[in-house]
Amino acid sequence: GDSVTQMEGPVTLSEEAFLTINCTYTATGYPSLFWYVQYPGEGLQLLLKATKADDKGSNKGFEATYRKETTSFHLEKGSVQVSDSAVYFCALGPRAGGGNKLTFGTGTQLKVEL
Amino acid sequence: DAGVIQSPRHEVTEMGQEVTLRCKPISGHDYLFWYRQTMMRGLELLIYFNNNVPIDDSGMPEDRFSAKMPNASFSTLKIQPSEPRDSAVYFCASSPETGELFFGEGSRLTVL
Repeated sequence: GDSVTQMEGPVTLSEEAFLTINCTYTATGYPSLFWYVQYPGEGLQLLLKATKADDKGSNKGFEATYRKETTSFHLEKGSVQVSDSAVYFCALGPRAGGGNKLTFGTGTQLKVEL
Repeated sequence: DAGVIQSPRHEVTEMGQEVTLRCKPISGHDYLFWYRQTMMRGLELLIYFNNNVPIDDSGMPEDRFSAKMPNASFSTLKIQPSEPRDSAVYFCASSPETGELFFGEGSRLTVL
């Protein structure tokens, strides 16, 4: 079945450092890919998405490119801030009309220090 | 739109009591999901609905759990009787056809 594998956390970085959180997936067909972020005490929020191969999703300085050849959707940010401290979830789901049931990774906690 | 609204935000109860969690999805969304989040097991999908009809309840842990969606603007997740191992944060999420999930802020349940 479908699955998502994320790098284990926590990831601890200094402010302004470069961030990469790895995500790889296994799926049949051509899924959509998502990154969600969860701040302490809150629900998950959509950060960015990509719906087909070579698409790049971006939001708030974060980027991820849908790589079909490597089945990956790594999250990157050039310069992290303390306010980016949160848990990040990679997820895959069917294309529109496919049921909308997302498969989530286990989450990667990011801690950004001054 | 106000987003997905869940109540209560916090619930503390004693083992054996009935717990009812409530959710109001975003208007116009066709899908509604119930998730449970714990440190040990992460984020688990319990059940989801499409147009008020339950589609997949394979994640519901046991018969003590039940979920209903009597109309497009309301859903409940009920645990009866509750047990300490049910302590978790329960999230409701809704989704349009385009696939993005919109989550509520969660209901934190503590069963003593």
